[in-house]
Amino acid sequence: AQSVTQPDIHITVSEGASLELRCNYSYGATPYLFWYVQSPGQGLQLLLKYFSGDTLVQGIKGFEAEFKRSQSSFNLRKPSVHWSDAAEYFCAVGASNGYDMRFGAGTRLTVKP
Amino acid sequence: SQTIHQWPATLVQPVGSPLSLECTVEGTSNPNLYWYRQAAGRGLQLLFYSVGIGQISSEVPQNLSASRPQDRQFILSSKKLLLSDSGFYLCAWSVSGEQYFGPGTRLTVT
Repeated sequence: AQSVTQPDIHITVSEGASLELRCNYSYGATPYLFWYVQSPGQGLQLLLKYFSGDTLVQGIKGFEAEFKRSQSSFNLRKPSVHWSDAAEYFCAVGASNGYDMRFGAGTRLTVKP
Repeated sequence: SQTIHQWPATLVQPVGSPLSLECTVEGTSNPNLYWYRQAAGRGLQLLFYSVGIGQISSEVPQNLSASRPQDRQFILSSKKLLLSDSGFYLCAWSVSGEQYFGPGTRLTVT
């Protein structure tokens, strides 16, 4: 069965510092991988997705993620964090049908001024 | 472009009362539709999904039910709410791999 692990429950970074959020997945076939962001009291917004091809994918808001099959990882990165990036981030794995998606427990990002 | 609506945005209901949450999608046809619940400080739990009108799959047995009376309408219901039904309910849609989420409904059962 597919599953997603986000090892870090809460991360604090200073504004302007780089960010990396970790995600490890378990999936029996070629996974479709996603990162979503959720601001308090809001729905989830898709940041980026990986289906195939180039293992480094670019998303919105300056985020990128790298798919590493050998490590079963799909870590999210941003070179310079802005205060508005403070939110909850969810990694997800799924299939092409869209209705077999599993989410990690989320990582809450706090940005220090 | 596609949009997804949920209402109400917030709801406070007493234990034992009925529930009806509505989700509609615009700008797409025959989407897959989903209901998730997010408890405070926790991840997303898939409750129901639908691949077409009248077709509902339940992921977690509970006192909630879902219906899809129209192609782009998805309803979450309960006959009698429990305290444990409190949470943030999210509707989502997909036509391929990724899902797109609505703004959510905050339900507090008192």
